Amino acid sequence: EPEVTQTPSHQVTQMGQEVILRCVPISNHLYFYWYRQILGQKVEFLVSFYNNEISEKSEIFDDQFSVERPDGSNFTLKIRSTKLEDSAMYFCASSRTGRTGELFFGEGSRLTVL
Amino acid sequence: GESVGLHLPTLSVQEGDNSIINCAYSNSASDYFIWYKQESGKGPQFIIDIRSNMDKRQGQRVTVLLNKTVKHLSLQIAATQPGDSAVYFCAERFGSARQLTFGSGTQLTVLP
Repeated sequence: EPEVTQTPSHQVTQMGQEVILRCVPISNHLYFYWYRQILGQKVEFLVSFYNNEISEKSEIFDDQFSVERPDGSNFTLKIRSTKLEDSAMYFCASSRTGRTGELFFGEGSRLTVL
Repeated sequence: GESVGLHLPTLSVQEGDNSIINCAYSNSASDYFIWYKQESGKGPQFIIDIRSNMDKRQGQRVTVLLNKTVKHLSLQIAATQPGDSAVYFCAERFGSARQLTFGSGTQLTVLP
């Protein structure tokens, strides 16, 4: 069964460093998303991406964050100058259409900022 | 002070019993609702969805009920199995928005 894959599974970084989290969405999906989940808390929307551009972003997704689809398969989230409060599990998701709420999530990348 | 995390509501049921997980959603303009299951160490997994023009929708062993009057959503799981143990989140969306707004989750534990 097709699945969303994410790397790395866990990254530890120093405050102020840049981090890139990578995702390979399901191949015939057209919509891509990043969500995050701080330990024990709700899953929070960061950004959605369609047709090589951001279609929506939340207040969390400020200038510190960027997304890119550098080739036909990868979808990346870059966090510049990480802060302690960026420590969270970051989930990539994809969907076939934008209308559906059936998102397929990866297993997440845990980011720990020290 | 800084919150270290939400205390999740918990529900414990005996294997084979039915489970009912409740959710109060926040936005009266939301018109689409989804239930997700999150097992430990994994990403959320879609279970079932319902649009606001419906009151009830059934899937395999699951039923979602929507009460728009009181902004309440419930997930019923029939004949609960050990594999159903997970955190269950409701999520809402309105209009043409892409983003899902997740609720705070309920921890379901299935007892042998």
